[in-house]
Amino acid sequence: DQQVKQNSPSLSVQEGRISILNCDYTNSMFDYFLWYKKYPAEGPTFLISISSIKDKNEDGRFTVFLNKSAKHLSLHIVPSQPGDSAVYFCAASEYGNKLVFGAGTILRVKS
Amino acid sequence: NAGVTQTPKFRILKIGQSMTLQCTQDMNHNYMYWYRQDPGMGLKLIYYSVGAGITDKGEVPNGYNVSRSTTEDFPLRLELAAPSQTSVYFCASATVAKNIQYFGAGTRLSVL
Repeated sequence: DQQVKQNSPSLSVQEGRISILNCDYTNSMFDYFLWYKKYPAEGPTFLISISSIKDKNEDGRFTVFLNKSAKHLSLHIVPSQPGDSAVYFCAASEYGNKLVFGAGTILRVKS
Repeated sequence: NAGVTQTPKFRILKIGQSMTLQCTQDMNHNYMYWYRQDPGMGLKLIYYSVGAGITDKGEVPNGYNVSRSTTEDFPLRLELAAPSQTSVYFCASATVAKNIQYFGAGTRLSVL
């Protein structure tokens, strides 16, 4: 039973345009959500996070939106750059407990 | 600034062999984790530790063992390697706040 789902295995976007990566979860007790970015042959690196008491968090070109009623979060990257091409993992935790990861979305930014 | 270091980077094992995947961190983090990532799947938690001398099972612990004798080191032991353990293994560490985990570069293991 997947508690965190990333339904799009891959996404292709033109350089300069917006990339939107989506994530759905089923556990209503999750209170903290994170996005990780992973390049080939490297470990995941933390990108941005959001607490369940907020509905938006912004960091430069990256913005995460949380819709608790829909149990949905999304990551917006504006503008997208070729260096953003990577696998993006959504993760969630309950009261600072263990992280549960989605399967990841491969983002390709074309120049 | 090393962060989380995993060795080896690659390893091929024969069925039934044993090995230890090493993980060390220099950030003085209390919490450490072992994950495996299979193709097309997310990271699944194998074992975790909240401090030296304390370990607990994650989602997929069968076939693995861990120990945590120091804050810095968290080795993962495979006793009788099986083809189902072919995967990429990641070690991570986190502060007491726990939410943001920092990952090593991974160990790619093939069991043939």
